[in-house]
Amino acid sequence: EVQLVESGGGLVEPGGSLRLSCAVSGLSFTEAWMSWVRQAPGKGLEWVGRIKSKLGGGTVDYAESLKGRFTISRDDSKKTLFLQMISLKSEDTAVYYCSWIRRNGPPDNYYYYMDAWGKGTTVTVSS
Amino acid sequence: DIQMTQSPSSLSASVGDRVTITCRASQNINTYLNWYQQRPGKAPDLLIYGASSLRSGVPSRFSGSGSGTDFTLTISSLQPEDFATYYCQQSYTTPRTFGQGTKVEIK
Repeated sequence: EVQLVESGGGLVEPGGSLRLSCAVSGLSFTEAWMSWVRQAPGKGLEWVGRIKSKLGGGTVDYAESLKGRFTISRDDSKKTLFLQMISLKSEDTAVYYCSWIRRNGPPDNYYYYMDAWGKGTTVTVSS
Repeated sequence: DIQMTQSPSSLSASVGDRVTITCRASQNINTYLNWYQQRPGKAPDLLIYGASSLRSGVPSRFSGSGSGTDFTLTISSLQPEDFATYYCQQSYTTPRTFGQGTKVEIK
């Protein structure tokens, strides 16, 4: 069974930093593509970014509005995904979910979808 | 970025009703469209990928259709556990944008 467990959320002042972690089990993490999605209170889902496996190039893509402040990384030896957030603003207050991206279909026509999710960790940016 | 627009934003329905939610992309995304269900206080769950492929274990009352820019999620006979918010998401390109969600409430 695939399990994803986020941690590292909490209360941080505006301008502060926070690093979220996502511990993964039940799948081959070295081959896994992973993503972060967030949800502000009472709002919809917002895609934060995605990191490919090292074999897939290790490329990281971000939502345009978060580039420069958010950094996604991974430690394959620890089967852990990270989200480093700096210069936090009140609008970054949200539940942050990590998810595993499954690829399905022929290599030249993959469907990508988030097939497993963690329960989320809450980040509150407030003074 | 590709914009995803869902309609309606919310709807009220009764158990047993047929429910249809639509999702429109701002450009052609072929069939690179996923649907997720999110119950209150829970993480999202995948329902459908590739516009019409049902995830293993998802009840057959859920179905998806469409290609290009217009897509539909249908629940053929609404059950009590289906009252939730539903999101479409395109996987054609990054950023992988979501629709704003459709909340299905009990009438």
